[in-house]
Amino acid sequence: SYVLTQSPSVSVAPGQTARMTCGGDNIGSKSVHWYQQRPGQAPVVVVSGDGDRPSGVPERFSGSNSGNTATLTVKRVEAGDEADYFCQVWDGSSVHPVVFGGGTKLTVL
Amino acid sequence: QVHLVESGGGLVKPGGSLRLSCAGSGFIFGDYYMSWIRQAPGKGLEWVSYVGRNVDTVYYADSVKGRFTSARDNAKNSIYLQMNSLSAGDTAVYYCARDTTGGGRFDSWGQGTLVTVSS
Repeated sequence: SYVLTQSPSVSVAPGQTARMTCGGDNIGSKSVHWYQQRPGQAPVVVVSGDGDRPSGVPERFSGSNSGNTATLTVKRVEAGDEADYFCQVWDGSSVHPVVFGGGTKLTVL
Repeated sequence: QVHLVESGGGLVKPGGSLRLSCAGSGFIFGDYYMSWIRQAPGKGLEWVSYVGRNVDTVYYADSVKGRFTSARDNAKNSIYLQMNSLSAGDTAVYYCARDTTGGGRFDSWGQGTLVTVSS
């Protein structure tokens, strides 16, 4: 089955740019969704598909996807961005179509 | 306003059973695919089951196949997860989530219900 690989942690200072990657075989051919999960809360989609942001998500959040790597970029990081971030794809060729990455913990220094 | 509420979690002994429910409101429930997703304490998200709009299509993760059964009642705006032969590895918060595209974009999640399997 399809596997997504995320780095366990990323640390950045406030105001800097955080980049979190999600690796998968030819992931560039798939729609990648990114979820933010703050402690004790349910996940919330922040970027999906071709970089769409749901209403209410700051423009500081953006996504890109090419080759074997998808990237979630958070510009001008704020303390409130500290959370776990999960990537997810739909593998339509599989009977296990929903695949999540292991998650990246974003720490704001 | 879209709202999903899970219920039915609790403490159960190994080998026991539990039935979770997820009730939706604020949208036409039958228009959407739904999934169950779980999260063990301190761990990441694990997809459990996917339910088509009319239960025409149901998928399960290998870790639960043969033990868990998904059901849906659009008249009651609800999906259900019957969990049998539970083990400690099933201990997790169980979320239901709405899939906006049928292709796994989960735009709304419930608050989750905790299932603890312990003797």
